[in-house]
Amino acid sequence: EVQLLESGGGLVQPGGSLRVSCAASGFSFSTYAMSWVRQAPGKGLEWVSSMSSGGNTYYADSVKGRFTISRDNSKNTLWLQMNSLRVEDTAVYYCAKISSSTNSLPSWGQGTLVTVSS
Amino acid sequence: IQLTQSPSSLSASVGDRVTITCRASQGISSYLAWYQQKPGKAPKLLIYTASTLLSGVPSRFSGSGSGTDFTLTISSLQPEDFATYYCQQLSSFLITFGQGTRLDIK
Repeated sequence: EVQLLESGGGLVQPGGSLRVSCAASGFSFSTYAMSWVRQAPGKGLEWVSSMSSGGNTYYADSVKGRFTISRDNSKNTLWLQMNSLRVEDTAVYYCAKISSSTNSLPSWGQGTLVTVSS
Repeated sequence: IQLTQSPSSLSASVGDRVTITCRASQGISSYLAWYQQKPGKAPKLLIYTASTLLSGVPSRFSGSGSGTDFTLTISSLQPEDFATYYCQQLSSFLITFGQGTRLDIK
C-alpha cells in the first residue's frame, strides 16, 4: 500500500524558513516523480513544485527562487525547503506521487499545515 | 495551460444527474484527471486520462472529452458524493488544477 506521510509544518513568522518532509513507502520511490501541492484555507488546490525521478526540478512562479524541492532516494523522502515565507504561503502542503503514464496524482499524503503569521 | 471549471458551485439532490465541465486553454489530448475532496481530507483521484475510472470508484462516475473540453458526470448522486471536485492536467511536470466545483445538497 502506498503511503505518503508529511511532517514539519508549523507556525513561522513572515520572512522565516521552514522545511517540510514527506516519507514515502509501499512503492519504488526512486522511480517516480513527486510533487508538492498546497491549499490555502478555504481555497482551491495550487501546484507548488515537482521533481522528476532523475532529479529535475520545476516550480510555480509564486514560489520560484524561494522554495527548493529535493529528495533522498536512499531514505525514500521528499523535502520542500521554504525560505522568505509570506503570509500568502499559509496553506496545507500535500506531497503527491506522479504517475507519468497517466499524467495524474494517484496518491496523496494527509498534508501538513504551514502558517505564516506574526 | 489554464483549466477553467464550471460551475464553481452546484446544488443538487440525491438521485440527480450532475455534470461538471473543465476547459483547457490549449489542447491536452486526453491527459485530464478528476479528483474528489471532502473537508479536511486530501484529494482523491477518481478518473484519469479523461475517462478511465480508478479501481474502486463507483460506476456512477464517468468522464469524457479530449482536446480542450472535458466533463465529469455523476449519474445518480449519493449522499457521499457531496464534495468539491477538481480537474487537473500535467504537462512537462507542470501541474494545473481547475478552480474547483463545490457540490452541495439542495
